[in-house]
Amino acid sequence: NAGVMQNPRHLVRRRGQEARLRCSPMKGHSHVYWYRQLPEEGLKFMVYLQKENIIDESGMPKERFSAEFPKEGPSILRIQQVVRGDSAAYFCASSPALTSTEAFFGQGTRLTVV
Amino acid sequence: AQTVTQSQPEMSVQEAETVTLSCTYDTSENNYYLFWYKQPPSRQMILVIRQEAYKQQNATENRFSVNFQKAAKSFSLKISDSQLGDTAMYFCAFMNHTSGTYKYIFGTGTRLKVLA
Repeated sequence: NAGVMQNPRHLVRRRGQEARLRCSPMKGHSHVYWYRQLPEEGLKFMVYLQKENIIDESGMPKERFSAEFPKEGPSILRIQQVVRGDSAAYFCASSPALTSTEAFFGQGTRLTVV
Repeated sequence: AQTVTQSQPEMSVQEAETVTLSCTYDTSENNYYLFWYKQPPSRQMILVIRQEAYKQQNATENRFSVNFQKAAKSFSLKISDSQLGDTAMYFCAFMNHTSGTYKYIFGTGTRLKVLA
């Protein structure tokens, strides 16, 4: 039973480009979280999605960031017009239900903006 | 708002010795969950141990145990018989059903180094 898969593991983008981060949840999981980890800091909540629905986006920056989890395919975190401050590790976690009290993490995508 | 505080940025311990990592949290809720996660250099977040706030008994997983003091809002992790493979960042995390969703709130982490 494959775990949470994130790709790419490493992503380099120039300032102003777009970054797309993908997350495939564990089999049978229909809920996905995205977290951001800045250097030397803990993980900060960004958004919580169910298939075709955003449940909680209270941690998402107001501009340039968006997330989706379509009926088919992986969840996508999209960052438009990246800036140096977006450089971080982005983690996805999945859970089977809205009331789950534990989530399972992927290995993260390290985004570097040059 | 809930917060999680880890006041020890770095710690070291000799192999086979015991070490305790501190964590305090702040919440007005009564029902919640607490976790310790390990993050080795691979960046993978690995669940070490979890504790339900309604349970008085401290959770234990092999060499890992917690000291959960609900009144003091304290949740420390004890690692016994430390091994070189325990070298990693350790994050304390809190989860409850605020605003209709469960989500983790993480502390800033403690970097643990086990010395040979």
